[in-house]
Amino acid sequence: GQSLEQPSEVTAVEGAIVQINCTYQTSGFYGLSWYQQHDGGAPTFLSYNALDGLEETGRFSSFLSRSDSYGYLLLQELQMKDSASYFCAVKRIKAAGNKLTFGGGTRVLVKP
Amino acid sequence: DTEVTQTPKHLVMGMTNKKSLKCEQHMGHRAMYWYKQKAKKPPELMFVYSYEKLSINESVPSRFSPECPNSSLLNLHLHALQPEDSALYLCASSQEGPYNEQFFGPGTRLTVL
Repeated sequence: GQSLEQPSEVTAVEGAIVQINCTYQTSGFYGLSWYQQHDGGAPTFLSYNALDGLEETGRFSSFLSRSDSYGYLLLQELQMKDSASYFCAVKRIKAAGNKLTFGGGTRVLVKP
Repeated sequence: DTEVTQTPKHLVMGMTNKKSLKCEQHMGHRAMYWYKQKAKKPPELMFVYSYEKLSINESVPSRFSPECPNSSLLNLHLHALQPEDSALYLCASSQEGPYNEQFFGPGTRLTVL
């Protein structure tokens, strides 16, 4: 089977840095994605890692270590609008149609 | 156009009703998805269509019936639903290939009475 573990909730202040860890167990791992979802909104794509290392996109960075079955999303210079749920999601090899399996989500609350 | 649209935004139905959810995208994506999401939970995959053919059915009860009339449209037909089927139903689309991000629609909030 598959499992993805991520913390359920993180609280931080504006301007801080938050790291959301995601550990996964799956066969045929292909890549790890991150999605953001505001309350009442649709999930939106943030980043994707298929190879080990760090991917940076503005204030957000994502890291993957395939040997450790571990990744993280780094949110820098936190802003109030970053309050949302963040999901890691695994793409498996031979999964038709880019099937994704989502982790339970991490609710990030940014305080003034 | 990088938008996935879904109608209706909200739907309330009785257990004996028949209704349909609609999803549309004009990004030329050939993979389309239905997800179900309960409050404070991750999206759960229901169906995947690839090139207008059903490629994945995640053991969804037959009271949910998907349909892909063409490459831009995806429907989810609902019949004899249960109150526990109340949830946010999300449609998504993506390019086919080794990996491509999924674009999600805003969802239909379904309440079954």
